[in-house]
Amino acid sequence: AQSVSQHNHHVILSEAASLELGCNYSYGGTVNLFWYVQYPGQHLQLLLKYFSGDPLVKGIKGFEAEFIKSKFSFNLRKPSVQWSDTAEYFCAVNAFVDSWGKLQFGAGTQVVVTP
Amino acid sequence: GAVVSQHPSWVICKSGTSVKIECRSLDFQATTMFWYRQFPKQSLMLMATSNEGSKATYEQGVEKDKFLINHASLTLSTLTVTSAHPEDSSFYICSARGRLLQETQYFGPGTRLLVL
Repeated sequence: AQSVSQHNHHVILSEAASLELGCNYSYGGTVNLFWYVQYPGQHLQLLLKYFSGDPLVKGIKGFEAEFIKSKFSFNLRKPSVQWSDTAEYFCAVNAFVDSWGKLQFGAGTQVVVTP
Repeated sequence: GAVVSQHPSWVICKSGTSVKIECRSLDFQATTMFWYRQFPKQSLMLMATSNEGSKATYEQGVEKDKFLINHASLTLSTLTVTSAHPEDSSFYICSARGRLLQETQYFGPGTRLLVL
């Protein structure tokens, strides 16, 4: 079955540490890839997206993600986190075989940044 | 950026009653809207997909007679939870995708439903 896997359910790190969240998907064809963030008490916001072109995608708030097609991965990175990055992060995939543009979400990773 | 609103933000109702949740795209025309359900500490589960003017397409396991979806215009979709029961208590989130926005979905703030 097609799926989206996020490697870590919880990550705790200190301010200024680097963050990398893993995301793997199992779709074999063309995909669009997304990372969304959900801050406490807020709605999902788009961090970045990959449709085509440069596999290194830069998003808002200093985040970036790299699409590695051979590894079916789309890992999210930030070189130096801040306390305000505490949130839940979701990887999502839209498989082109689905013409509706439906998103399949990973389980999410809860990130806690300590001062 | 694109804005999607939901109303109400939270609702408490008695078991057996029906509840309607609205989802609006405020600054773009949403050809497709999606309805999700999110349980505490869990990811979003897609319930259904609706295109303006068409019947909604429901995901496997989602009762279409219980969760009525209407997408009557390019800026409004509604989800009606009919004869709600306590197990329907959840966080319901809509998202919208427009013609010009291609495949990017923009999410509403969600509606928390509590059925007593």
